Amino acid sequence: AQSVSQHNHHVILSEAASLELGCNYSYGGTVNLFWYVQYPGQHLQLLLKYFSGDPLVKGIKGFEAEFIKSKFSFNLRKPSVQWSDTAEYFCAVLSGGSYIPTFGRGTSLIVHP
Amino acid sequence: SQTIHQWPATLVQPVGSPLSLECTVEGTSNPNLYWYRQAAGRGLQLLFYSVGIGQISSEVPQNLSASRPQDRQFILSSKKLLLSDSGFYLCAWSDRMGTQYFGPGTRLLVL
Repeated sequence: AQSVSQHNHHVILSEAASLELGCNYSYGGTVNLFWYVQYPGQHLQLLLKYFSGDPLVKGIKGFEAEFIKSKFSFNLRKPSVQWSDTAEYFCAVLSGGSYIPTFGRGTSLIVHP
Repeated sequence: SQTIHQWPATLVQPVGSPLSLECTVEGTSNPNLYWYRQAAGRGLQLLFYSVGIGQISSEVPQNLSASRPQDRQFILSSKKLLLSDSGFYLCAWSDRMGTQYFGPGTRLLVL
């Protein structure tokens, strides 16, 4: 069965710091990869996704993620975080042919102004 | 555009009482539908999913059940709530590429 690991459970940064959140998965076949974000008091929503093609994908609000197949990773990055990036971030993996995504446990990001 | 509704937003129920949480989707047909429970620090636990009317798959044995009486309606139920059923319940639908679209959630407190 697929498993997804998010290594950082809680991250605290100051504004303008760089961000990298790790995500690793276990199943090595064809996968669709996602990062979702839940801002305080808001719906869980899609941040970015990778299906195929360029392994560096860009999402909303300046976020990007890189798919490294050899490392089974899909790390999320942002060069300079803002206070408004304070949220919970979830990595998810959908294995080929499945209806069921596997979610990581989430990373709580707090950005101090 | 697609919209997903959940109600109620908050619910406080006594132990042993029944439960019915409703989820409806607008703007898409024959969606895959999902019920999740979200617990702090534990991510999203998939409870049920449905690929069509009357087709329900359960991922975790528990005190809950789900039904899909109409194409865009998904209901989470219990006959007798337990304290451990307290939590935040999310409904979602997915497009054909697997992107999930979540509702606003229902916070359930069982006392």
